[in-house]
Amino acid sequence: DTGVSQDPRHKITKRGQNVTFRCDPISEHNRLYWYRQTLGQGPEFLTYFQNEAQLEKSRLLSNRFSAERPKGSFSTLEIQRTEQGDSAMYLCASSSRQGGTTEAFFGQGTRLTVV
Amino acid sequence: GENVEQHPSTLSVQEGDSAVIKCTYSDSASNYFPWYKQELGKGPQLIIDIRSNVGEKKDQRIAVTLNKTAKHFSLHITETQPEDSAVYFCAASSANFGNEKLTFGTGTRLTIIP
Repeated sequence: DTGVSQDPRHKITKRGQNVTFRCDPISEHNRLYWYRQTLGQGPEFLTYFQNEAQLEKSRLLSNRFSAERPKGSFSTLEIQRTEQGDSAMYLCASSSRQGGTTEAFFGQGTRLTVV
Repeated sequence: GENVEQHPSTLSVQEGDSAVIKCTYSDSASNYFPWYKQELGKGPQLIIDIRSNVGEKKDQRIAVTLNKTAKHFSLHITETQPEDSAVYFCAASSANFGNEKLTFGTGTRLTIIP
């Protein structure tokens, strides 16, 4: 399968703990996005990278959230001192600015439950 | 920032009938409007998109229309089938190449009644 891969698929953590999610984009895609989706809502933009550069961050991304994309390949999203309000599906997507395609391909998501 | 409203939130249609989902956007600079289908436990999947220089686009049973003046765009599914049952999201973006930052609607749960 050459689609966007996210790991883990599910994560249950206690309030106050740190969690880290990983996203492996489609190999030739240079753009990578993180979105958060709560129940009954559409995905909300968090941040995106072009290669290794983080080009935009939403105001939703508090200082407890940090994202990295070392070497422009996989990306990690870390949430420190988790709160119950962080419970959501975290979606990763990738796209390529080359070849004329603009479609953003989404992964299956990581469902986070903070108890 | 951009605000996208989507209606209806739920829609049930008989198999074989047509379904229409409507969205409005607020930012006149938006120029890219994709539609995503999300099945339970899966990530959103792009089903069709349209750019602001086009008024209508069709792909087999799916079509999208765009009215830039009114800031409306709609998804039309004809000859609906049970596998069309899912949650559908519209989205809008004003980025140069189309999808740097998508603002999504709140979704429409479509149920096809056999």
